[in-house]
Amino acid sequence: SQKIEQNSEALNIQEGKTDTLTCNYTNYSPAYLEWYRQDPGRGPVFLLLIRENEKEKRKERLKVTFDTTLKQSLFHITASQPADSATYLCAPGASNSGYSTLTFGKGTMLLVSP
Amino acid sequence: GAVVSQHPSWVICKSGTSVKIECRSLDFQATTMFWYRQFPKQSLMLMATSNEGSKATYEQGVEKDKFLINHASLTLSTLTVTSAHPEDSSFYICSARGSDYEQYFGPGTRLTVT
Repeated sequence: SQKIEQNSEALNIQEGKTDTLTCNYTNYSPAYLEWYRQDPGRGPVFLLLIRENEKEKRKERLKVTFDTTLKQSLFHITASQPADSATYLCAPGASNSGYSTLTFGKGTMLLVSP
Repeated sequence: GAVVSQHPSWVICKSGTSVKIECRSLDFQATTMFWYRQFPKQSLMLMATSNEGSKATYEQGVEKDKFLINHASLTLSTLTVTSAHPEDSSFYICSARGSDYEQYFGPGTRLTVT
């Protein structure tokens, strides 16, 4: 069955540091992969989408890579700030019958200390 | 930017009653909306895909007679939890897919069944 694994433990980093979150998937061939941010008691907020033919995507302090051979996506956040503290979800997407569905990982909680 | 609202943001109901949750895309039209459920510290689980003007497509294990979905217009989808029980208590989140590839999420509705 399809499986998505993200860093299981919460990550604690100091403000200003860079960190990398990992998303591994199995039994899956996603056409694209999305990363979201979710704050407690709130819906996810879209951050980045990377397609299978793209190796890397950047947006401000965020960088996402997509390795279809390793079946892995890495999410890098640089110059971290306390406001970046949230749970980050990866969601490989697959097209099906004209619409796309997402399957979400459990997410990795990131805590940035001042 | 694209905004999706949900109403109510939280609701408490008695066991055996029905609850309706609304999902609206405020500034764009969405032919497809999705309904998710999220239990504490768990990933978002897709319940059903709602297409405007047609019947919803339910994921395996989701009872379509218990979770009634109506997508009457391009900006509104509703989820009705019928004969709610305490085990239905959860965080329900909708999303709407715009004309681009992105999926925009609502803020979620916290349902508590007593």
